[in-house]
Amino acid sequence: QKEVEQNSGPLSVPEGAIASLNCTYSDRGSQSFFWYRQYSGKSPELIMFIYSNGDKEDGRFTAQLNKASQYVSLLIRDSQPSDSATYLCAAPSGGSYIPTFGRGTSLIVHP
Amino acid sequence: SQTIHQWPATLVQPVGSPLSLECTVEGTSNPNLYWYRQAAGRGLQLLFYSVGIGQISSEVPQNLSASRPQDRQFILSSKKLLLSDSGFYLCAWSVQAGGHNEQFFGPGTRLTVL
Repeated sequence: QKEVEQNSGPLSVPEGAIASLNCTYSDRGSQSFFWYRQYSGKSPELIMFIYSNGDKEDGRFTAQLNKASQYVSLLIRDSQPSDSATYLCAAPSGGSYIPTFGRGTSLIVHP
Repeated sequence: SQTIHQWPATLVQPVGSPLSLECTVEGTSNPNLYWYRQAAGRGLQLLFYSVGIGQISSEVPQNLSASRPQDRQFILSSKKLLLSDSGFYLCAWSVQAGGHNEQFFGPGTRLTVL
């Protein structure tokens, strides 16, 4: 069973801080990794994807991938209350193009 | 640009009644299409996916079925709903080639079976 694991949280950070969300995956064959943001009652929205070891930055978001340790992280700098949501990590298993989703980490940014 | 539509947005149905949820994608051709269900407090469960018209793969045996009568149309159906069918139903699409198969989700249908 290919798995993608996330701490369910909630992760609570003050406004302006860095939020760090982590995800581990079991299939070493996974090549691409996705982060989705899901507001309560809404559908998931793709915010980042990464497929090379290292960091990928997009505005206040940085995705980090370490294939040797099989983890992928999402950093949110200068966190805002509007970032409060559930963040889903997803990764296709090796040989498949369909991602397996983690259960998500709930992030709360308090003023 | 690509857009994905789902309807209805919300639905309340009695146990044993039929179901039909529809999803359409605009702005792309020959997409991969997916149906997911997200139950309260749980993760995304892949139900069906399709790589082309009439081609449906089922991930979970249950009382649901899917059809793809047109390239950009995906339908989720049931003949008799169960209480356990309640949840948030999400349609998604991805490109078939040239990308990393990132998926884009529609707005979803919230189904309550009473």
